[in-house]
Amino acid sequence: QKEVEQNSGPLSVPEGAIASLNCTYSDRGSQSFFWYRQYSGKSPELIMFIYSNGDKEDGRFTAQLNKASQYVSLLIRDSQPSDSATYLCAVYPEKLTFGTGTRLTIIP
Amino acid sequence: GAGVSQSPRYKVAKRGQDVALRCDPISGHVSLFWYQQALGQGPEFLTYFQNEAQLDKSGLPSDRFFAERPEGSVSTLKIQRTQQEDSAVYLCASSSSGARNSPLHFGNGTRLTVT
Repeated sequence: QKEVEQNSGPLSVPEGAIASLNCTYSDRGSQSFFWYRQYSGKSPELIMFIYSNGDKEDGRFTAQLNKASQYVSLLIRDSQPSDSATYLCAVYPEKLTFGTGTRLTIIP
Repeated sequence: GAGVSQSPRYKVAKRGQDVALRCDPISGHVSLFWYQQALGQGPEFLTYFQNEAQLDKSGLPSDRFFAERPEGSVSTLKIQRTQQEDSAVYLCASSSSGARNSPLHFGNGTRLTVT
């Protein structure tokens, strides 16, 4: 079992809708959780980080963490074509460990 | 500089050649990380420095890989006797905090192609 698992997609969402990206992790000792956005040919860019159970909102983005279920998600409200990218979930047990990413396409 | 700077942006090496990849972290950033990203995959951890000390090199795939950060600023990742499986994007990231769980800021990477 991979340490961090994501559905590779592609995930297609109409413009203006909510995009929901999911991630599960295997190490129950994980304490810190990050979402990075990566455009094709570019480096990962930090979108959100969350350390505590519950929701954390920043603009159109909401990160949700459920440590009991070992599950972290990212919601993008009012999706825009510029949100089309690969979204990487990253988790800190001992070192920052990335999932393979979910490719998101926003359809105009 | 404003961000993490990596050079060269692209590198083509013939199998067996040695390569050196450079990373200039954000000024004052204590922590520096190297990651390897294969096509269609997430970044894979290689090694971690806090200032000049290499605290974790558990991700280096073989003894052909070597990293250093002698003055606690610029870092170099060296790959000796390159193999085709070394072809990937090598990402450098830095963080202002010495805490290992702080958010990372990535450079644009060096795309290495071994022919």
